[in-house]
Amino acid sequence: NAGVTQTPKFQVLKTGQSMTLQCAQDMNHEYMSWYRQDPGMGLRLIHYSVGAGITDQGEVPNGYNVSRSTTEDFPLRLLSAAPSQTSVYFCASSYSTWRSYNSPLHFGNGTRLTVT
Amino acid sequence: AQTVTQSQPEMSVQEAETVTLSCTYDTSESDYYLFWYKQPPSRQMILVIRQEAYKQQNATENRFSVNFQKAAKSFSLKISDSQLGDAAMYFCAYRAISSGSARQLTFGSGTQLTVLP
Repeated sequence: NAGVTQTPKFQVLKTGQSMTLQCAQDMNHEYMSWYRQDPGMGLRLIHYSVGAGITDQGEVPNGYNVSRSTTEDFPLRLLSAAPSQTSVYFCASSYSTWRSYNSPLHFGNGTRLTVT
Repeated sequence: AQTVTQSQPEMSVQEAETVTLSCTYDTSESDYYLFWYKQPPSRQMILVIRQEAYKQQNATENRFSVNFQKAAKSFSLKISDSQLGDAAMYFCAYRAISSGSARQLTFGSGTQLTVLP
């Protein structure tokens, strides 16, 4: 059982470059999300999705795009990378709350992104 | 908006001793869930324990237990018989049940726990 798979594990970009962080889960979770982790700030929600074709913004959405064409995949796109987007990114998924209100988030192993 | 505060950026404990990590939160909701996650140097996020706000009984998972004080909006984590493998960053997190925000986790800033041999 793979759980939540994130790729790549590490990435270095130059300012202005674009890239996509991949996230896939094999647990048939309706809910998927992207967080960024910065020192002293915990994890902050970027975007989330409650099902295929449905996405919404979190706390820090600017500079990021997402789409959800399948239940399994939830890629995060950086259209024009900026040094402020240097961070560790986590994808996480869970059952939707109607199924289990205390359904915990299952996290991927993170992507460390550096923008120079 | 909900906020979660962890006022101890760093803590240390002697191996086999007990340590308590603090967490407070601010919410106007009556029903919600609280979680503690552990992040070792591997960067993996691991669920340690969860607490339903409507339950008065404090959750326990082996050496990990919580002290949930709903009126005070406090949710501390107690680690008993600390082991070297407990060394990690610990995050407190809040999840509302009401529609619209129920799927989002709000995290505290974390407490870095060091276990001394």
